Amino acid sequence: QVQLQQSGPGLVKPSQTLSLTCAISGDSVSSLSATWNWVRQSPSRGLEWLGRTYYRSNWYNDYAVSVKSRITINADTSKNHFSLQLNSVTPEDAAVYYCARDQYTSSWYMDVWGKGTTVTVSS
Amino acid sequence: DIQMTQSPSSLSASVGDRVTITCRASQSISNYLNWYQQKPGKAPKLLIYAASSLQSGVPSRFSGSGSGTDFTLTISSLQAEDFATYYCQESYSIPPVTFGPGTKVDIK
Repeated sequence: QVQLQQSGPGLVKPSQTLSLTCAISGDSVSSLSATWNWVRQSPSRGLEWLGRTYYRSNWYNDYAVSVKSRITINADTSKNHFSLQLNSVTPEDAAVYYCARDQYTSSWYMDVWGKGTTVTVSS
Repeated sequence: DIQMTQSPSSLSASVGDRVTITCRASQSISNYLNWYQQKPGKAPKLLIYAASSLQSGVPSRFSGSGSGTDFTLTISSLQAEDFATYYCQESYSIPPVTFGPGTKVDIK
């Protein structure tokens, strides 16, 4: 049974960096049939995909245009986890952040999600 | 990018009712459409993938249909545990991943 365990601070000061980690159990971050994603949710934006990392002989990343200049998603194979860094946060970045596995069989679908981390941006 | 809309944005229903939620894509996405259920304070849960395939462990009262631009999620007989918000998501043109705005199902 695949599980994702999120960790990281729930309070970030404006202009600082939001950092979250998602630990994977029951699967590998190097899986050739999955991508590892960050999604956030706020009342104003709904469910918003932020980006993903995945391994296909090399490591690849894709990011949402809305955060592309501020986001980094990395995978750590030794710890079997992936992480999110979002720089220069503002109150608009306050949201619940989820990590999720996007799995491919005949199509792509997000079948495993972390429990979510509520992030507040405040000094 | 593909845009997703859902209707209605909310609905009130009673236990035992048949409920239908519609999702529309701004361009054809074949059958690359997923449905999720989300309860307050919880992460989204996958219900249906590839428009009509039931995810393992999901009750058979949930079904999905459609292709191209128009899709439907149907709950054949609404149960108390089904009161939640439902989201569609297209998986045709990843990246980006695009979700619909959601349909909230509450108790009449």
